[in-house]
Amino acid sequence: GAGVSQSPSNKVTEKGKDVELRCDPISGHTALYWYRQSLGQGLEFLIYFQGNSAPDKSGLPSDRFSAERTGGSVSTLTIQRTQQEDSAVYLCASSFAPGAASNYGYTFGSGTRLTVV
Amino acid sequence: KQEVTQIPAALSVPEGENLVLNCSFTDSAIYNLQWFRQDPGKGLTSLLLIQSSQREQTSGRLNASLDKSSGRSTLYIAASQPGDSATYLCAVKLPGNYGGSQGNLIFGKGTKLSVKP
Repeated sequence: GAGVSQSPSNKVTEKGKDVELRCDPISGHTALYWYRQSLGQGLEFLIYFQGNSAPDKSGLPSDRFSAERTGGSVSTLTIQRTQQEDSAVYLCASSFAPGAASNYGYTFGSGTRLTVV
Repeated sequence: KQEVTQIPAALSVPEGENLVLNCSFTDSAIYNLQWFRQDPGKGLTSLLLIQSSQREQTSGRLNASLDKSSGRSTLYIAASQPGDSATYLCAVKLPGNYGGSQGNLIFGKGTKLSVKP
């Protein structure tokens, strides 16, 4: 597609439920990031996928958070047993990155606003 | 640890004024610096990308400069308009995976700009 697509755009879930957030990067982009933005806060790095390399999960806040990227394209961020503090906007970005030393810019999706009630 | 600081945190100007937003970073070993715009409840829109070897980039009424050695970048907006009201974020891309849990794209907390008609 022309841009990074995220779905759903909004998600309201009950505390304790699992949620899945989807990101469709720009075709051909090999690098994919997930960020979280809480109300009034800056962007918090969650996870980074680069090609076929093992993902960098060092930003995931707890073991309730996991992410996959299938076939080097679509990525899914899963939050298990959601808590109210998980409420935030989850942003996905992709970049053309033929290698880790790439200096291309990033394109962001519109985000998924998650509300845990 | 790379830190990105944006000053001021908020700025209110009358329509038509020229203005400058500031971004500073603590480690000059960057690949590039990118300025983004974020409207309330939306994702990030890329405005300008400056490679580490470049001094400035221009797009329409926007001009971004980069002084890597001093760890500074400015975003200049000419003849501001109410439609420019948004939060402006700068982000630096680092070599490899710097600092583990930060990821390699480090954001400032943004400057919230309000342009009054």
